[in-house]
Amino acid sequence: DGGITQSPKYLFRKEGQNVTLSCEQNLNHDAMYWYRQDPGQGLRLIYYSQIVNDFQKGDIAEGYSVSREKKESFPLTVTSAQKNPTAFYLCASSRMDSGNTEAFFGQGTRLTVV
Amino acid sequence: QQQVKQSPQSLIVQKGGISIINCAYENTAFDYFPWYQQFPGKGPALLIAIRPDVSEKKEGRFTISFNKSAKQFSLHIMDSQPGDSATYFCAASIQQGGSEKLVFGKGTKLTVNP
Repeated sequence: DGGITQSPKYLFRKEGQNVTLSCEQNLNHDAMYWYRQDPGQGLRLIYYSQIVNDFQKGDIAEGYSVSREKKESFPLTVTSAQKNPTAFYLCASSRMDSGNTEAFFGQGTRLTVV
Repeated sequence: QQQVKQSPQSLIVQKGGISIINCAYENTAFDYFPWYQQFPGKGPALLIAIRPDVSEKKEGRFTISFNKSAKQFSLHIMDSQPGDSATYFCAASIQQGGSEKLVFGKGTKLTVNP
């Protein structure tokens, strides 16, 4: 089955720790994205990548880091610098066609700081 | 001006009724307008989308109405069913730095009562 796999589904982090969220896709999409979802806030873009070994900051990149070493993988690290990391994190991918950015989303990772 | 304003924040409709969700934007560079449906604990999934050269698009019980001059678009769900209860996000796509970027509204939580 083609799709996007995020893991883990639930993640608990202690204050001051870095954690890495996994995102893998087998859709052969060039573009991948990370969004953060908070109640009543919609989806806010953290980072995105159009090509391997290249990525750009989104609207709320502070306290996060990413890598894109393979086309299929786009892991997100939530660092200790992120002041309020508890949220639902969504990974997405899309083709690069102009004017037709259908994004396919994973099932999300719920991160809780304890 | 890369915001997409969505209303209402929540909506309660009786089974068989019409659900209407509205979105507005400022940036005329947006060139693709998708709607996403999200069930609790899941990632959003594309529901229906429209381009600005079309005023209306219908897929089953779901219709997008697009008013280019007013910079507004809306989702109509006809004969609403309890299974339609979900959060709906409008979005707009823009070319930026050689890549497509999706901007999301803050979402509308729809509840369809039986």
